[in-house]
Amino acid sequence: GENVEQHPSTLSVQEGDSAVIKCTYSDSASNYFPWYKQELGKRPQLIIDIRSNVGEKKDQRIAVTLNKTAKHFSLHITETQPEDSAVYFCAAKRYSSASKIIFGSGTRLSIRP
Amino acid sequence: DADVTQTPRNRITKTGKRIMLECSQTKGHDRMYWYRQDPGLGLRLIYYSFDVKDINKGEISDGYSVSRQAQAKFSLSLESAIPNQTALYFCATNSGGTNTGELFFGEGSRLTVL
Repeated sequence: GENVEQHPSTLSVQEGDSAVIKCTYSDSASNYFPWYKQELGKRPQLIIDIRSNVGEKKDQRIAVTLNKTAKHFSLHITETQPEDSAVYFCAAKRYSSASKIIFGSGTRLSIRP
Repeated sequence: DADVTQTPRNRITKTGKRIMLECSQTKGHDRMYWYRQDPGLGLRLIYYSFDVKDINKGEISDGYSVSRQAQAKFSLSLESAIPNQTALYFCATNSGGTNTGELFFGEGSRLTVL
């Protein structure tokens, strides 16, 4: 069935450095890839998404890249700050109103001062 | 602000008890979902509903049931709770009017089954 694998499960980076989280998906028909951030004790919230007709999308310090051939997509956070500490989930979905979102297993990102 | 509200936020119960988690939303969305979050396993879909008359099983529906009482209300039941159902449960909603469908989550219900 549909599956999304996410790596690493935990990541610790020095404040100011970059962080990269990688995901692969199994359903070749997937063409919408959102990323959710869950701060400690809070609910997950969408932070950025990308559609398959785009290879990269940026929003300030956050960027997502997509390689449809390899079925890989990644989240890049530059100039990390303490408030970036959270669990990040990637997800994949077919671009159809009838399809469900499948989540990866999450990455706990810690920013060291 | 339009929101997604879950009750109870925390619940401790015993094996074999019946438990109901409730979700209500004021976002006007037609679609509602129940997810379960366990450490290292991400968010797994239990059940989802695209409108009041529509109920669908997700990845891990065994041991759970749901009821869509109204467009704004979607409840999750554990008929006979067992310890491995201890988890954080999230209700979520989105609009069927978009193909992407950003999910809006409730604050979560932490369930402990002893």
